[in-house]
Amino acid sequence: GQQLNQSPQSMFIQEGEDVSMNCTSSSIFNTWLWYKQDPGEGPVLLIALYKAGELTSNGRLTAQFGITRKDSFLNISASIPSDVGIYFCAGQRPAPLIQGAQKLVFGQGTRLTINP
Amino acid sequence: GAGVSQTPSNKVTEKGKYVELRCDPISGHTALYWYRQSLGQGPEFLIYFQGTGAADDSGLPNDRFFAVRPEGSVSTLKIQRTERGDSAVYLCASSLIVPQAGELFFGEGSRLTVL
Repeated sequence: GQQLNQSPQSMFIQEGEDVSMNCTSSSIFNTWLWYKQDPGEGPVLLIALYKAGELTSNGRLTAQFGITRKDSFLNISASIPSDVGIYFCAGQRPAPLIQGAQKLVFGQGTRLTINP
Repeated sequence: GAGVSQTPSNKVTEKGKYVELRCDPISGHTALYWYRQSLGQGPEFLIYFQGTGAADDSGLPNDRFFAVRPEGSVSTLKIQRTERGDSAVYLCASSLIVPQAGELFFGEGSRLTVL
């Protein structure tokens, strides 16, 4: 199935460092989302972006919805051990006939490892 | 519990067998989704229910896969004549009828291994 191009695939950083990852697509999305998945768990929503150019923060996390609507990035500042996990971007296209439809397209994920 | 519950958490079966995976959504959530996550990949959409009806089943890979939600709550994903390529984690998610985009609440998944 179609997926978004997410990079990098993995990151190995020192605790306290900042992290940056991004997601690109050949198609336009109306909504960009960033999820985190811990081992043995389902994805958990971190940040949702609804408008092109929008910049949104959630604590140490900041994400932006690209102007072209074909990309997004996620930054994590001052990483801590609990930031370890897999981060997924996801995009949503409009489903005008089906109210509330959330047919999301996910990226392949960025695996974040933190060295203490 | 308060979250999305999926059973079994792990299922090992032999090629050709029939499998059922169950999802119990958050109480009051009318929308229910099934996704499949292969190793090292992001989740891929399978099917979406609004109430009892499948509003979008375009992600089901072939006719061996079928899902039901007869009473608008619990859903069962059914896989016939399983193949090794069906091995994956099957994630269920639920949301309110008119959620903010992306506010899907995922379960922990059912890991299916086909030998």
